Amino acid sequence: KAGVTQTPRYLIKTRGQQVTLSCSPISGHRSVSWYQQTPGQGLQFLFEYFSETQRNKGNFPGRFSGRQFSNSRSEMNVSTLELGDSALYLCASSTGTGDGEKLFFGSGTQLSVL
Amino acid sequence: AQKVTQAQTEISVVEKEDVTLDCVYETRDTTYYLFWYKQPPSGELVFLIRRNSFDEQNEISGRYSWNFQKSTSSFNFTITASQVVDSAVYFCALSEAGGYSTLTFGKGTMLLVSP
Repeated sequence: KAGVTQTPRYLIKTRGQQVTLSCSPISGHRSVSWYQQTPGQGLQFLFEYFSETQRNKGNFPGRFSGRQFSNSRSEMNVSTLELGDSALYLCASSTGTGDGEKLFFGSGTQLSVL
Repeated sequence: AQKVTQAQTEISVVEKEDVTLDCVYETRDTTYYLFWYKQPPSGELVFLIRRNSFDEQNEISGRYSWNFQKSTSSFNFTITASQVVDSAVYFCALSEAGGYSTLTFGKGTMLLVSP
């Protein structure tokens, strides 16, 4: 069974640009959540999608958005990039059917904003 | 609001030593879930264990053991006879009822095991 796949693995962008990250969950999983990891703030929850609907959202500005497709694949978009958006973005999947489920994480997309 | 504190930023041990990683949490909910995840250099977080707030039974799994104490809001993790392959960053996390995939993570503890 294939794991969670994130593409691309690395990205370099400049301030003001926008970026789209992709996540393919484990087959059969309907929940995809996104996390930002930085040295200063650690791991922070961005949002979660379940059956194409955003179910939970963290405390991030509106420049961060996402969506989920009917095949459960998810994309995350960051518009008007700032230097502080440089981070490892991790995607996780689960069945999404209950609380306290273990999450399966991808290897992440390392975003560098210059 | 929930909070997870891992006071140990970095721990260095020599192979075969036992090591305990500390985790203290805060939550107002009576139903919650606690997790430990491991992050090797490759980047992905690997699930190690989950406990719900009603299950204080401590567990041993091979070289790993966990100590959950509601009275002190702690969920500590011990590796017995550490190995070089245990070197990684370990994260403690909390999820509350209704939160589904929303995890609040601690800052992590970097464990370095030397041969």
